[in-house]
Amino acid sequence: DIQMTQSPSSLSASVGDRVTITCRASQSTSGNLNWYQQKPGKAPNVLIYSASTLHGGVPSRFSGSGSGTDFTLTISDLQPEDFATYYCQQSYTFPITFGQGTRLEIK
Amino acid sequence: EVQLVESGGGLVQPGGSLRLSCAASGFTFSSYWMSWVRQAPGKGLEWVANIKEDGSEKYYVDSVKGRLTISRDNAKNSLSLQMNSLRAEDAAVYYCVGIRFGETINHWYFDLWGRGTLVTVSS
Repeated sequence: DIQMTQSPSSLSASVGDRVTITCRASQSTSGNLNWYQQKPGKAPNVLIYSASTLHGGVPSRFSGSGSGTDFTLTISDLQPEDFATYYCQQSYTFPITFGQGTRLEIK
Repeated sequence: EVQLVESGGGLVQPGGSLRLSCAASGFTFSSYWMSWVRQAPGKGLEWVANIKEDGSEKYYVDSVKGRLTISRDNAKNSLSLQMNSLRAEDAAVYYCVGIRFGETINHWYFDLWGRGTLVTVSS
């Protein structure tokens, strides 16, 4: 199984900040790496797929990069609605696996 | 409007059974791979199972193999999850999810999400 490890597990930031969340896979995912945002009591929503492609309707302050085993999600100019939990997920091979999540909180 | 509406959750005793359903509307259900993804209270996301558009291929996480069965009825735009021999660790919100492919068939992601249905396993 491919293990997905996110860092940090939690993060405090202020509106207007730029933050980066890292996701490391235990083996290559060949770019099959997706990022999701989840707010309390809601279903997740996809932000980025295929490591760097912005999903339709997602603000351009979200960006993804990386290849092989190391990936990053960057949020520039944090907005109040961005405070949520973020998950990476590999769709390269079964079983499909998620990172443990990164909780982004308001400082 | 795209909608996925789960039902069938509830309280069940360990060793018991439950059948979850998901009603799909607003998109061509028969053209989508579908999934179940679950989330235990206060925990992260866990993929449970995938099923191909025509139901000919199914994949499961090891922890549910032999106990949970994914199926679909394209004529009724419906996805199901039959859950047998339930354990405490199966307690979670279960999301019905539609898969979308990226630029190539090898790249896909969870795109369409229902609101989830809560399964509680307790005596």
